[in-house]
Amino acid sequence: QVQLVESGGGVVQPGRSLRLSCAASGFIFSRHGMHWVRQAPGKGLEWVAAIWNDGGNEKYVDSVEGRFTISRDNSKNTLYLQMNSLRVEDTAVYYCARDHTTRATIPSDYWGQGTLVTVSS
Amino acid sequence: QSVLTQPPSASGAPRQRVTISCSGSRSNIGRNTVNWFQQFPGMAPKLLIYFNSQRPSGVPDRFSGSESGTSASLAISGLQSEDEADYYCASWDDNLNGPVFGGGTKLTVL
Repeated sequence: QVQLVESGGGVVQPGRSLRLSCAASGFIFSRHGMHWVRQAPGKGLEWVAAIWNDGGNEKYVDSVEGRFTISRDNSKNTLYLQMNSLRVEDTAVYYCARDHTTRATIPSDYWGQGTLVTVSS
Repeated sequence: QSVLTQPPSASGAPRQRVTISCSGSRSNIGRNTVNWFQQFPGMAPKLLIYFNSQRPSGVPDRFSGSESGTSASLAISGLQSEDEADYYCASWDDNLNGPVFGGGTKLTVL
């Protein structure tokens, strides 16, 4: 069965970095675009970043552009989110989610359980 | 403030029918399809509806989606206590060049 398992969350000081991973299994990872979506405590869902199936195209929400980098290793079936210059407002549960296409359109049918990132001094 | 507008709350009695709206614009719902997600507290979102009105396998036919112009709707018929959750719409936005979510609607079963 399809599984997405995030890891790498934790508590970090403002200005520091963190890298999240999302291990995929149960489907052909290289055939799907992938997304990162976050949810601040008590708030709604916010799309963060997406990457095409071959890694050839990336997109970001304006608030993380230049600070976050999405990448993937199709040989390891793993999605990444490198988060630099973290801010208090980046505090959230981060989910990885599969796109139903090879490109990055909208999150679709499978989501991970999420990993909590807390940015605090 | 979300690009897609949803009512913050909705409610209905068991066995009733409730509708949740999602209002957008020509750059998103007007030109692109809508997905709907259900989320329980502390859990990941679950896809309920894709391509405006299609149900993934396993989703009861009590859940239905529709779209008209720049708005979309999720209808839940035969309301059950286990339907009490948060519901989100999402669509691609051509101007922002990325996906956008609604602010979410908290459904209460009375």
